[in-house]
Amino acid sequence: DSGVTQTPKHLITATGQRVTLRCSPRSGDLSVYWYQQSLDQGLQFLIQYYNGEERAKGNILERFSAQQFPDLHSELNLSSLELGDSALYFCASAAADRPPLHFGNGTRLTVT
Amino acid sequence: AQSVTQLDSQVPVFEEAPVELRCNYSSSVSVYLFWYVQYPNQGLQLLLKYLSGSTLVKGINGFEAEFNKSQTSFHLRKPSVHISDTAEYFCAVSEGGGFKTIFGAGTRLFVKA
Repeated sequence: DSGVTQTPKHLITATGQRVTLRCSPRSGDLSVYWYQQSLDQGLQFLIQYYNGEERAKGNILERFSAQQFPDLHSELNLSSLELGDSALYFCASAAADRPPLHFGNGTRLTVT
Repeated sequence: AQSVTQLDSQVPVFEEAPVELRCNYSSSVSVYLFWYVQYPNQGLQLLLKYLSGSTLVKGINGFEAEFNKSQTSFHLRKPSVHISDTAEYFCAVSEGGGFKTIFGAGTRLFVKA
């Protein structure tokens, strides 16, 4: 058990909808990272937060947004969902603002 | 910009045989290097890491990796694999002082009895 908690584990929704994925980092970790894992694109870095502030941005679409709250949990918001957004979304946390990362078990999003 | 190439998408091997999973990276600055393992329906678990110091690093489950700066490689090895090592393995790189960790496409290790 990595200590990183992601909810929900599974999410099924329709195209055009909006969903929120939640992540609680390991106790004491200040950094939260979001990754998208799909069969065709592998593991893609989306965004990183450190102690509430955005630190790095990767291949995150404009339809996606994230934030880290004062209690350090993070949420990833996905809107105007498309079929291609179906993927596993992982959250990872780190003690400081750099690796190694500790991953949660992911949220499997299915867009129908 | 940093990038990671895992040279084999699949590696089949017999139980108790040695295995090497290959990883090359590209970066213009110093790097941190990692190997992660992903079992079905689970998240990624850190196997080992290279931050600095000795170029031979040992990880969990009997795995080790060697950092070769001149060849920009970080190959993962295990002298004798078990059925339970069947999983997907990811090499990852983070530029020293940077925030982004970039992952390779993964290598599926399949251990046969």
